[in-house]
Amino acid sequence: GAVVSQHPSWVICKSGTSVKIECRSLDFQATTMFWYRQFPKQSLMLMATSNEGSKATYEQGVEKDKFLINHASLTLSTLTVTSAHPEDSSFYICSARPEGIPLGAFFGQGTRLTVV
Amino acid sequence: AQSVTQLGSHVSVSEGALVLLRCNYSSSVPPYLFWYVQYPNQGLQLLLKYTTGATLVKGINGFEAEFKKSETSFHLTKPSAHMSDAAEYFCAVSYGGATNKLIFGTGTLLAVQP
Repeated sequence: GAVVSQHPSWVICKSGTSVKIECRSLDFQATTMFWYRQFPKQSLMLMATSNEGSKATYEQGVEKDKFLINHASLTLSTLTVTSAHPEDSSFYICSARPEGIPLGAFFGQGTRLTVV
Repeated sequence: AQSVTQLGSHVSVSEGALVLLRCNYSSSVPPYLFWYVQYPNQGLQLLLKYTTGATLVKGINGFEAEFKKSETSFHLTKPSAHMSDAAEYFCAVSYGGATNKLIFGTGTLLAVQP
C-alpha cells in the first residue's frame, strides 16, 4: 500500500515551453502533497505544499507564477513548469501524506526534467 | 533556523562491516526524525522514523537508529553492510504544525566495497 506515482518519469522539453508533472496517490487519499526539487548530488529542497481544494503554499524564493501547482482532488496534484529554461532542469519529486496520518509522507519516483 | 546536518557526504564501507551514518539536528525542541533511502533516479523510501516512545527505532533492511536528545542526534546504523545498501541516505526532521513539512539533510552517499 501507500503508493505514489509520478508521471512522466523523465521529460525533455524546449526552452520556453511548459511542462506538466503529475503526482497521484494510487491507494490512499492525500489531503496534503509536497513538491521538491533536487539538484545533482544535493538534497531535496521543498518548493511548495499543496492542500486539496486550496492554493499551494510556496517556500521562500520559489516563483509561484513559474511553478504552478494544482491539487484538484484527493489523489492528484500537478506541477506545471511554465516557460521552462535550462536552469529549471532538475529532478522533481512529489510526496503525499495520507489523510489522517499527521507525520511523514510517501514519495513518488521522481521526474527528471531536462530543458534544452 | 532549524536545520539537519549529516556529517560525511560520502561514506565507504566493506561488505559485512558496520554502517554508521550520522545525523544531528539543531533545535531546542525535539523534532520528529526520519531516515530515507534513495536509489539512483528514484524517489525516497522511508527506512524508519522516531516520533515518541522508545528511542531505539528499528526499520527495514536491518537498519536502526537511536534518538539521543542530549546529543541532538539520530544516527543510522546497520551491523553488516550488503552490496544492495549502496545508495543515498537522507535524514529529515519535522516539527509538527499545520503541514508537518520535512526538512532534509544534505544526504550521505554510502558505497559498499566487495
